Amino acid sequence: GEDVEQSLFLSVREGDSSVINCTYTDSSSTYLYWYKQEPGAGLQLLTYIFSNMDMKQDQRLTVLLNKKDKHLSLRIADTQTGDSAIYFCAESPWFSGGYNKLIFGAGTRLAVHP
Amino acid sequence: NAGVTQTPKFQVLKTGQSMTLQCAQDMNHEYMSWYRQDPGMGLRLIHYSVGAGITDQGEVPNGYNVSRSTTEDFPLRLLSAAPSQTSVYFCASSYSPGGRGMITQYFGPGTRLTVL
Repeated sequence: GEDVEQSLFLSVREGDSSVINCTYTDSSSTYLYWYKQEPGAGLQLLTYIFSNMDMKQDQRLTVLLNKKDKHLSLRIADTQTGDSAIYFCAESPWFSGGYNKLIFGAGTRLAVHP
Repeated sequence: NAGVTQTPKFQVLKTGQSMTLQCAQDMNHEYMSWYRQDPGMGLRLIHYSVGAGITDQGEVPNGYNVSRSTTEDFPLRLLSAAPSQTSVYFCASSYSPGGRGMITQYFGPGTRLTVL
């Protein structure tokens, strides 16, 4: 079945690195995504990784993918208070019905403290 | 571009009342979706549409209806509101080349609904 799991809460000190972890179940997912939700707002695509990659770096963000273990992680370097938000992992299982839906995890609330 | 807009932002209903949550997008996207967000459960897909006139059920469709008469609009109707429908509702639109292509979903700001 389709399932995406993430821990619900992470607290880090400002300036430290944050690592948010996610496990997914569907090996047919071609892309895996990280979305960010700031308070009172909708989700915004933060970054994504193609399934044939192990790592993707985008400024302070590093995405690591372990396909064998179906494990995805998001590392935020030099975490700032503005990074406080809920981070959602999502997979896109292969679906031949014409609509490739996204399956979201429950979200990890990142709290950054001084 | 306004992106994805949703109205209202907040709504309080009594059990048994009906209402329509509005969603519109101006990006000419084929795909539109409705999700509900509940604490600890992430986003769950209610209904989706792959084009005007075509809708289908998602994971949690009971108690909700949708229609898609135009590319731009995708309203969600609550037929007879129940306290279990208290949630935050997000509309999203997306373009995907199909197959195993990359999907970028654009989300609206959400409607916070409370059913008493």
